[in-house]
Amino acid sequence: DAGVIQSPRHEVTEMGQEVTLRCKPISGHNSLFWYRQTMMRGLELLIYFNNNVPIDDSGMPEDRFSAKMPNASFSTLKIQPSEPRDSAVYFCASNVAGETYEQYFGPGTRLTVT
Amino acid sequence: GDSVTQMEGPVTLSEEAFLTINCTYTATGYPSLFWYVQYPGEGLQLLLKATKADDKGSNKGFEATYRKETTSFHLEKGSVQVSDSAVYFCALEGSYIPTFGRGTSLIVHP
Repeated sequence: DAGVIQSPRHEVTEMGQEVTLRCKPISGHNSLFWYRQTMMRGLELLIYFNNNVPIDDSGMPEDRFSAKMPNASFSTLKIQPSEPRDSAVYFCASNVAGETYEQYFGPGTRLTVT
Repeated sequence: GDSVTQMEGPVTLSEEAFLTINCTYTATGYPSLFWYVQYPGEGLQLLLKATKADDKGSNKGFEATYRKETTSFHLEKGSVQVSDSAVYFCALEGSYIPTFGRGTSLIVHP
């Protein structure tokens, strides 16, 4: 299995630009999670999907952030407009809800907003 | 709500030293407990887990025992290696959404 795939691995953009991060979960997994990791705040859960439906988005910082999961094999996290404080590593993770609970993380996207 | 508290790092050890990273939790019900490891530039990966009280999870020489009476899940290794240098996260999951600790950085010197 290829594992969770994220793209791009690195993104550098200017303040005000739109950023789209992509994630392909492991085939057969029905839950998908987006996290943000910074030194100051640690690992934060942004949003959780189950069977492609957003279940908990209470961690999404503000309206500039949006996430979609149009099908079981693809999800996006969009930031529009981006700000320097959005600079972080964004992780996607997936698992099978109700089974083992362990999460499988992607390699992350390092976002730098200048 | 659920919470996980880990000892703050960094923890700095010499090779072959004994490692303990403390983790305590607060949760309703009987959550599953996990330790994840994050190597530089990578995502978190599962190191070990325990799903019920008194279970011991183990992997790659690391161990942790689910202690319900002390609500703890401390990570131990008898002899660390330079290659164990990483950030270690304690986590619990009781209702599909996990709760992670802040992470503890481990630095092992030759």
